Amino acid sequence: EVQLSDSGGGLVQPGGSLRLSCAASGFTFNNYLMTWVRQAPGEGLEWVSTISGSGDNTYYADSVKGRFTISRDNSKNTVYLHMSSLRAEDTALYYCASYRSGSNYRGLAYWGQGTLVTVSS
Amino acid sequence: DIVMTQSPLSLTVTLGEPASISCRSSQSLLYSQGINSLDWYLQKPGQSPQLLIYLGSNRASGVPDRFSGSVSGTDFTLKISRVEAEDVGVYYCMQVLQTPWTFGQGTKVEIK
Repeated sequence: EVQLSDSGGGLVQPGGSLRLSCAASGFTFNNYLMTWVRQAPGEGLEWVSTISGSGDNTYYADSVKGRFTISRDNSKNTVYLHMSSLRAEDTALYYCASYRSGSNYRGLAYWGQGTLVTVSS
Repeated sequence: DIVMTQSPLSLTVTLGEPASISCRSSQSLLYSQGINSLDWYLQKPGQSPQLLIYLGSNRASGVPDRFSGSVSGTDFTLKISRVEAEDVGVYYCMQVLQTPWTFGQGTKVEIK
């Protein structure tokens, strides 16, 4: 059974840092790209970042570029989102999701349960 | 960035009746060989989003066949042939042609 488990959220002051984790199981992790999507309270979904299966390629939304870093450890089947210089507008529920690219694309079929990040003084 | 515009933003439907949600992209989402890079997701209350349709018209594994997706140019449609109580929630379209991936605003579906 495929499972994605998000963790690492919490309350952080503006300007602070936080590292989110997403532990995966039930599939060949390095064959899948991993992405983070966030949802501010009462709002819609916003794509944040994506990393390739090898970790060589990363992509970011302009709203987080230069402040967030996505990485993965394929030996631990885990993807990370390092968040720094946090702002109030980064307050959201952060979800990780997995997918395969190219001709194997079948949508974001698997999602974590989400981890809440609150940026407030 | 590609802008995704959904309509309506709210929909109240009667059980057993059909429902339709539209999503328009600001540019073509054609990838290659007729493949449209658009997915549909449903976020049920208090849950993570779940995949319904990928690449315009392909139903995801386990999704009931009352859900279908269609494409006409830059206009995408999600149809529910007969709405059931478990279909309530917010429906999102999302383009995956290019980063930044962008979502529609969401359509909230409620039962009358």
